[in-house]
Amino acid sequence: KAGVTQTPRYLIKTRGQQVTLSCSPISGHRSVSWYQQTPGQGLQFLFEYFSETQRNKGNFPGRFSGRQFSNSRSEMNVSTLELGDSALYLCASRDSVYNEQFFGPGTRLTVL
Amino acid sequence: QKEVEQNSGPLSVPEGAIASLNCTYSDRGSQSFFWYRQYSGKSPELIMFIYSNGDKEDGRFTAQLNKASQYVSLLIRDSQPSDSATYLCAVIFHSGGYQKVTFGTGTKLQVIP
Repeated sequence: KAGVTQTPRYLIKTRGQQVTLSCSPISGHRSVSWYQQTPGQGLQFLFEYFSETQRNKGNFPGRFSGRQFSNSRSEMNVSTLELGDSALYLCASRDSVYNEQFFGPGTRLTVL
Repeated sequence: QKEVEQNSGPLSVPEGAIASLNCTYSDRGSQSFFWYRQYSGKSPELIMFIYSNGDKEDGRFTAQLNKASQYVSLLIRDSQPSDSATYLCAVIFHSGGYQKVTFGTGTKLQVIP
């Protein structure tokens, strides 16, 4: 099976702009989670989608939003970018039987 | 108290030794436990998962779970320089259809040749 894919891999934006990141889960996985990883805060949970519905949400401001499509692909959007949004954004898809979660390669976002 | 705690390290072990990585969690209802390895600049890679008390072995890796004491550990036997990475512990709490995944901040392991 192909792994989790994320696009783009690298992104440079300026403050105030918005960005959309995309994630395609492993075939058959219906759960997609998004994480933000920074050197100071570690891996922080953003939200999880399951069958097009947001199931869980972390403690991030409303500027961070997401959605999931009927084919389980997911997008994450960040509006009004701030310098502190610079991070590695990771998408993970989860197997519903064993709950194993597999990460994509991530999108490295730099906000200037 | 953090929900999932790991010593940030670095933990330095000589090549060929056993590396012992520990993780404690606060939620007694947690049911699934995972270990990930993350190389610098890369995404986390799943190494092992464990659900039941006791030991689970996979090659050079052994995961140990003690729910009564609320800790899970990862042993790496015959450590190799290629094992040098940050190891993340993840804990899943289930309640009906609700699931919560919490990661520790990771332990950096350095295997000295």
